[in-house]
Amino acid sequence: EVQLLESGGGLVQPGGSLRLSCAASGFTFNNYALTWVRQAPGMGLEWVSTISGSGGGTFYADSVKGRFTISRDNSQSTIHLEMNDLRAEDTAIYYCTKDSHKTGKGWFDPWGQGTLVSVSS
Amino acid sequence: VLTQSPATLSLSPGERATLSCRASQSGSSYLAWYQQRPGQAPRLLIYAASSRASGIPARFSGSGSGTDFTLTISSLEPEDFAVYYCQQRGAFGPGTKVEIK
Repeated sequence: EVQLLESGGGLVQPGGSLRLSCAASGFTFNNYALTWVRQAPGMGLEWVSTISGSGGGTFYADSVKGRFTISRDNSQSTIHLEMNDLRAEDTAIYYCTKDSHKTGKGWFDPWGQGTLVSVSS
Repeated sequence: VLTQSPATLSLSPGERATLSCRASQSGSSYLAWYQQRPGQAPRLLIYAASSRASGIPARFSGSGSGTDFTLTISSLEPEDFAVYYCQQRGAFGPGTKVEIK
C-alpha cells in the first residue's frame, strides 16, 4: 500500500522559515515525481511544487518561487519543502502527493493527510 | 487556467450530477478529477479524462477532450456530497460543491 506521511507543520511568524517533510513507502520511490499541494482555510487546492523522480527537475508556483525549495532524498524515500520568508498567505494545509509520472505533470494519487502551516504574529 | 461550473450543484440522493471543467487551452489529455469530503484529503476519482481510479465506484465517469471535460455521477449516494476539483498539469479548477437539496 502506498503511504505518504507529512510532518513539520506548525505556527511561525511572518518572515520565518519552516521545513516540511514527506516520508513515502509502498512504491519504487525514485520512479515517481512527488508534489506539494496546499489548501488555505476554506479555499480550493493550489499546486505548490513538484520534484521529478531523479530530483533533477524542480518546478514551482509563481507564488512561492524564490522562497520555497523542494528536494528529495531517494535513499530515505523522503521529500522536503524548505519554506523561507513566510507570509500570512502561505497559511494552509500542505499535502504531499505522488505523481503518476516520473517527470511530473501527471495526476496525483494518493495524498497524505496533510500538515498545517500557520503564519501569524 | 481551469474553470469549473457550476460553482454549486444542489441535488437529491439518486439524482444525476453533471460537472463541467474547461481548460483555457488544449494540450493535455491528463485531465483528472478529485473528490474532497470535509476534513479529508482529496481523493483521485478519474485520470486521463475518462479512466476510473482504483476502487472508485462505476457511478463515477469522466468524458471529454481538448478543452471541455465532464464528470458525471449517475446516481448520487449520500457519501457523494462533497467538493470536486479538476486538475491538469500544475493547475486546479476552483471546485464544484455538490450539496444536498
